[in-house]
Amino acid sequence: QSALTQPRSVSGSPGQSVTISCTGTSSDVGGYNFVSWYQHHPGKAPKLIINDVTKRPSGVPDRFSGSKSGNTASLTISGLQAEDEAEYYCCSYAGRYVVFGGGTKLTVL
Amino acid sequence: QVQLVQSGAEVKKPGASVKVSCKASGYAFTGYYMHWVRQAPGQGLEWMGWINPNSGGTTYAQKFQGRVTLTRDTSINTAFMELSSLRSDDTALYYCTRDLNWNYDYWGQGTLVAVSS
Repeated sequence: QSALTQPRSVSGSPGQSVTISCTGTSSDVGGYNFVSWYQHHPGKAPKLIINDVTKRPSGVPDRFSGSKSGNTASLTISGLQAEDEAEYYCCSYAGRYVVFGGGTKLTVL
Repeated sequence: QVQLVQSGAEVKKPGASVKVSCKASGYAFTGYYMHWVRQAPGQGLEWMGWINPNSGGTTYAQKFQGRVTLTRDTSINTAFMELSSLRSDDTALYYCTRDLNWNYDYWGQGTLVAVSS
């Protein structure tokens, strides 16, 4: 049950796009389509923004999109806005267990 | 509307135990697994385990096996997380979160547990 690997930080200017990767193994990310992404602002509870690899919950802007290839999942945020600045976590089912990524700090320049 | 309301902050001494509650409302409590996740200061989210409120069945992360116990009381729609043999590195914000088919759609507000001598 090792944590999924995410870059520690990414940055982009308003209007630009950024992609955050999340690398696991065939026992988690690569083995199931239960990858989700969470946006976490300090002092608030995490918010689900992508579920089941590619699906956006109601109310999440279509600027957020998810994908997966092999053992790596990705979150892309297009048309960056100032309020997107937050910590982002990926998460995967791993056969009765669950594993999170280490988190990626997104800075909007 | 769905709500998960957690108990208040706790301060404990090393070696003690803590029990955090998570009261659910706005949905069928026994219909969704409940997970517990923590975040230590300056660290990321860490999964601790889940409970099936219907059966009481549990699964724990290997890291917490033997120290964590998840229970529930269906009469009051409440899940509990008890962590024993507390150490300073257990100081963290503890969250309960509802499982929507291995995605986590609703979260409690978090409970701060501070471990200090």
